[in-house]
Amino acid sequence: DAGVIQSPRHEVTEMGQEVTLRCKPISGHNSLFWYRQTMMRGLELLIYFNNNVPIDDSGMPEDRFSAKMPNASFSTLKIQPSEPRDSAVYFCASSLATLDVQYFGAGTRLSVL
Amino acid sequence: KNQVEQSPQSLIILEGKNCTLQCNYTVSPFSNLRWYKQDTGRGPVSLTIMTFSENTKSNGRYTATLDADTKQSSLHITASQLSDSASYICVVSEGGGFKTIFGAGTRLFVKA
Repeated sequence: DAGVIQSPRHEVTEMGQEVTLRCKPISGHNSLFWYRQTMMRGLELLIYFNNNVPIDDSGMPEDRFSAKMPNASFSTLKIQPSEPRDSAVYFCASSLATLDVQYFGAGTRLSVL
Repeated sequence: KNQVEQSPQSLIILEGKNCTLQCNYTVSPFSNLRWYKQDTGRGPVSLTIMTFSENTKSNGRYTATLDADTKQSSLHITASQLSDSASYICVVSEGGGFKTIFGAGTRLFVKA
């Protein structure tokens, strides 16, 4: 398996624009997680899905952030409108079950100017 | 307040030496504790996962310990290699749900 695949690897956008980050989990994994990492705050769990259903989105910073998982092989994290403080590395991870080992993608480095 | 504190913040050791990283937590109720290794510019990679009943778990040259009574964990690296240079992150999950609390990490530098 190719592992967790995220796209794009880098995204540069202007404040106010919509940003969509994409994730393809490892085939057969039932849990998917979105994280954000910054120098100031470290790693933060934003939301996780189990069997395509959002289970806990308490980490989503505000209404500008939304995540979907329309099927077992694809998830998106959308920011609309984007702000400079959203600049961070966004990671997607998947696992067989919620408490199993998580495998992380390479991340998307987002810069909002 | 649930917290995870790691020490030291950074560490420099010579190749071949051993080192131990610390993680103290106040998370309650406790579900599990994970250690991750994160190379610069890459996603974290899981090293170990320990539940309440486990007090030692090894993964190659990495050995994690857990004392659930004192709420302390350590990650011991034996015979360090240059490739061990990375950030090591301790993550504790609350019982009953999947609320995760991340430590700030320890930045390890292994020098030749």
